[in-house]
Amino acid sequence: SQQGEEDPQALSIQEGENATMNCSYKTSINNLQWYRQNSGRGLVHLILIRSNEREKHSGRLRVTLDTSKKSSSLLITASRAADTASYFCATDEGDFVFGPGTRLSVLP
Amino acid sequence: GAVVSQHPSWVICKSGTSVKIECRSLDFQATTMFWYRQFPKQSLMLMATSNEGSKATYEQGVEKDKFLINHASLTLSTLTVTSAHPEDSSFYICSARDNQQPQTQYFGPGTRLLVL
Repeated sequence: SQQGEEDPQALSIQEGENATMNCSYKTSINNLQWYRQNSGRGLVHLILIRSNEREKHSGRLRVTLDTSKKSSSLLITASRAADTASYFCATDEGDFVFGPGTRLSVLP
Repeated sequence: GAVVSQHPSWVICKSGTSVKIECRSLDFQATTMFWYRQFPKQSLMLMATSNEGSKATYEQGVEKDKFLINHASLTLSTLTVTSAHPEDSSFYICSARDNQQPQTQYFGPGTRLLVL
């Protein structure tokens, strides 16, 4: 198993701004996934990007993957207060291992 | 989309009692399920991998006699916290790997355990 490492660990922005979170990992992957977790709640799957993909969009979310740098980024555009949550990336080599997460606060 | 349920969502128990948490895949079969533990403001830590019909594989540092896992069918895994103590209070999350899409896991909503 390997661990994704998110950066930054905490991010505070104003509503309407864009939020960018980064994730780095150590070895080769089949896919990388981003999840959101609201305080005290379970995980919500946001997006999966495969190792042969470079960019993927889903609504206001944009994920990029750079396998040469072993990194991924999650961009949330036009953020809303409801986007306030912790965001985790997870990579898989059979089992998923989660990074520490980025705590995003979107201020109204 | 695929749904995984957990029951109960909340449990409060006295120290020394055992608590069973169920994880069900509702519309797909899952030979493999995972159990995670999460402390406040921390990430999820994999506790064990549960395989239908065989013994679970525990991560280093996780006591198998303390956290009993049973995966008796392709849609149900249970985690029993035996002789629970206050330090076992945590958020327990399960996930299930879809047999038809093995690179994707679906997560349950979590179970919050408070041991008094």
